Amino acid sequence: NAGVTQTPKFQVLKTGQSMTLQCAQDMNHEYMSWYRQDPGMGLRLIHYSVGAGITDQGEVPNGYNVSRSTTEDFPLRLLSAAPSQTSVYFCASSYLPSGGKETQYFGPGTRLLVL
Amino acid sequence: QQQVKQSPQSLIVQKGGISIINCAYENTAFDYFPWYQQFPGKGPALLIAIRPDVSEKKEGRFTISFNKSAKQFSLHIMDSQPGDSATYFCAASKAAGNKLTFGGGTRVLVKP
Repeated sequence: NAGVTQTPKFQVLKTGQSMTLQCAQDMNHEYMSWYRQDPGMGLRLIHYSVGAGITDQGEVPNGYNVSRSTTEDFPLRLLSAAPSQTSVYFCASSYLPSGGKETQYFGPGTRLLVL
Repeated sequence: QQQVKQSPQSLIVQKGGISIINCAYENTAFDYFPWYQQFPGKGPALLIAIRPDVSEKKEGRFTISFNKSAKQFSLHIMDSQPGDSATYFCAASKAAGNKLTFGGGTRVLVKP
């Protein structure tokens, strides 16, 4: 049980380049999310998924795409990187048993620098 | 527009003291209020959560107090320890497992 894994740990991009941040979980969790964390602003939701084939936008979706073809994977794509996307990106997965307490885990994060 | 406001931004407490962090929300549709703990270089970890049908929830040294009429909730860390030194985030959503809106975070330093 590896929990939530994210790759890469660190990435440097030039403005205009594209890339995919990978996120995987092996806990069969139905809910997965992507957040970005910027100093003094907490975490902001980028995209969200309640299951394979179902995604929804969060607070700051512009410039990012997601897809959820399997329960395990939830990649985040930067279409054309901009310096404003310099941030730390966290993927999270969660499970909510009926009438029970939520179980949620965050990945270790991907630090992205866009030059 | 910041829907969840958190204060203070930082606080220093002596070992054995009580750390208190406050959050206020605007959206009355919020129905689930979790708190997270984050250490440097790590992802946040779910600490404790509360729903509006109770005014207080306690898990070990961590207690959430909730005031629905004031739209405020707070985290109390009792008998604070140096290992509690971390950044704490409050959050809110319309339901557990739903989209989360986070506060700006509070950096807590517990001095030995």
